Amino acid sequence: KQEVTQIPAALSVPEGENLVLNCSFTDSAIYNLQWFRQDPGKGLTSLLLIQSSQREQTSGRLNASLDKSSGRSTLYIAASQPGDSATYLCAVSLVNYKLSFGAGTTVTVRA
Amino acid sequence: EPEVTQTPSHQVTQMGQEVILRCVPISNHLYFYWYRQILGQKVEFLVSFYNNEISEKSEIFDDQFSVERPDGSNFTLKIRSTKLEDSAMYFCASSKRLAGGQETQYFGPGTRLLVL
Repeated sequence: KQEVTQIPAALSVPEGENLVLNCSFTDSAIYNLQWFRQDPGKGLTSLLLIQSSQREQTSGRLNASLDKSSGRSTLYIAASQPGDSATYLCAVSLVNYKLSFGAGTTVTVRA
Repeated sequence: EPEVTQTPSHQVTQMGQEVILRCVPISNHLYFYWYRQILGQKVEFLVSFYNNEISEKSEIFDDQFSVERPDGSNFTLKIRSTKLEDSAMYFCASSKRLAGGQETQYFGPGTRLLVL
């Protein structure tokens, strides 16, 4: 059974600092890894998708890396802003495409 | 930009009652999913659906749950006899699968179900 772990559980930084969010998974035979943002009481917004054959993806201030062999992904958010405050979820899919989620990292960016 | 929609946003029901949660996936998507998130817990997979059939279901998805695509646009989750532990946020997701297995799942805003 795929287990997904996210560290740290919570993070508070001053505005402008770079954020580093970690995700690890136990079964390296993944198809895709997706990072999501979740605002309190809201749905999930897809941020980035990394296929198993890729090592990183970038979108604006976001960069996600994938080391499949070691079962790790890292989401970097550059020059954080108060609007980046949210919970960030990592999810991986195996051959059946169902997503297994981590518990998330709750980020607070202080103005 | 197309998005997944869900209705209702909130549903309160009595234990033992039937509820139907509705979703309108993105129009050119072919793969559909239901997930749920109990308060304070991880998002967990319930069921996947393709070509009018269930592709896979989790151990949570027992006989009290069913899914249906009654027409070309809606995708529903029915819970026949709700239990207290069914209280959760239910998310619908849809996707299209590209060559090489690339698939981004797009989630709806969720239906918060409270069973009393």
